[in-house]
Amino acid sequence: NAGVMQNPRHLVRRRGQEARLRCSPMKGHSHVYWYRQLPEEGLKFMVYLQKENIIDESGMPKERFSAEFPKEGPSILRIQQVVRGDSAAYFCASSPRRGDGEKLFFGSGTQLSVL
Amino acid sequence: QQPVQSPQAVILREGEDAVINCSSSKALYSVHWYRQKHGEAPIFLMILLKGGEQKGHDKISASFNEKKQQSSLYLTASQLSYSGTYFCGTEIKGRSNTGKLIFGQGTTLQVKP
Repeated sequence: NAGVMQNPRHLVRRRGQEARLRCSPMKGHSHVYWYRQLPEEGLKFMVYLQKENIIDESGMPKERFSAEFPKEGPSILRIQQVVRGDSAAYFCASSPRRGDGEKLFFGSGTQLSVL
Repeated sequence: QQPVQSPQAVILREGEDAVINCSSSKALYSVHWYRQKHGEAPIFLMILLKGGEQKGHDKISASFNEKKQQSSLYLTASQLSYSGTYFCGTEIKGRSNTGKLIFGQGTTLQVKP
């Protein structure tokens, strides 16, 4: 039973380019959470999605960032026109049911570096 | 809204004990504890759901004081493998709980031989 899969593991982009980060949740999990982690800091919540729905995007920057979780395929976190401040590790986590004390399973993360 | 963890860093010798605290300014539904090693995914340790609940496995245990909005993680007879950064994740009580966790800033634990 594969865990949460994220790819790519490392992504290098130049300022102004687009970054697409993919997350395949564990089998049977339909709830996905995205977190961002800056060096030496904690995990900051970005967005919570169920299949085809954004449930809570209170942690998403208002511009350039978007997320989706289509009926088929992985969840995608998209960052348009990247800037140096977007450099961070991006983790996704999945759970089989809606929150309420459910354990989150984390992927290994995507390290985004913006040159 | 972010819970505060203390201490920020701990250095131990193998076999020594440590306590990591997590304190929130908001009423909590649950507290989750994770350990993360450098460059790796956070690994789940335990969830505490009810005030007063205490849980543990091996030599790692935790308690949750709902009234004080605090949780503590206890590591006894520490091993080298315990080294890493420990995060508490809090689920704040609300009208509808989505499972969104707000994480503390982390406590770095280093266990030396």
